Amino acid sequence: DAGVTQSPTHLIKTRGQHVTLRCSPISGHKSVSWYQQVLGQGPQFIFQYYEKEERGRGNFPDRFSARQFPNYSSELNVNALLLGDSALYLCASSPPGARDNEQFFGPGTRLTVL
Amino acid sequence: DQQVKQNSPSLSVQEGRISILNCDYTNSMFDYFLWYKKYPAEGPTFLISISSIKDKNEDGRFTVFLNKSAKHLSLHIVPSQPGDSAVYFCAAYNQGGKLIFGQGTELSVKP
Repeated sequence: DAGVTQSPTHLIKTRGQHVTLRCSPISGHKSVSWYQQVLGQGPQFIFQYYEKEERGRGNFPDRFSARQFPNYSSELNVNALLLGDSALYLCASSPPGARDNEQFFGPGTRLTVL
Repeated sequence: DQQVKQNSPSLSVQEGRISILNCDYTNSMFDYFLWYKKYPAEGPTFLISISSIKDKNEDGRFTVFLNKSAKHLSLHIVPSQPGDSAVYFCAAYNQGGKLIFGQGTELSVKP
């Protein structure tokens, strides 16, 4: 079975630009969460979506937004990019009824903002 | 405010010996703790977890110990193998049910 997939793998943008990151969960998983991992730090929670509704939001500015589609895939959007947005963005999915110890992470998208 | 802390950025251990990775937390309301392992170019993978009602959980070579009074948990790997070389993250659930990760400890197991 395919795991969580994310695209693109790597991305380079300049300050002020906008970026869209994509995530496809494991088949049958309805919950998707997004995390930001800055170099030398652990992943930080950004958003969680379940059945296309936002279920949680971390301490990130409004420049960050996300959505989930009917097929449970998800997009993370970041506007007005700053140098500090350079990070690995991880997507995780979990099956219905699971506690988050059953989150399965994708390989991430490495975003570099110049 | 770092609620989950891993104060050792790196650890080097000889193959066959024990690896001990440590984690401290500040919030006494945390009730479930997890360890994740991450290889380069891959996402974190779940390794082992422990509920706050227990003080030990074992799975093969991996054992997690929880000391609630000290707000401290540790992951023991015995015996350590070169394939265990990775970054290990400690994580805990906050009251909102969201995962809070530590900074990670990079384990290197030397043959």
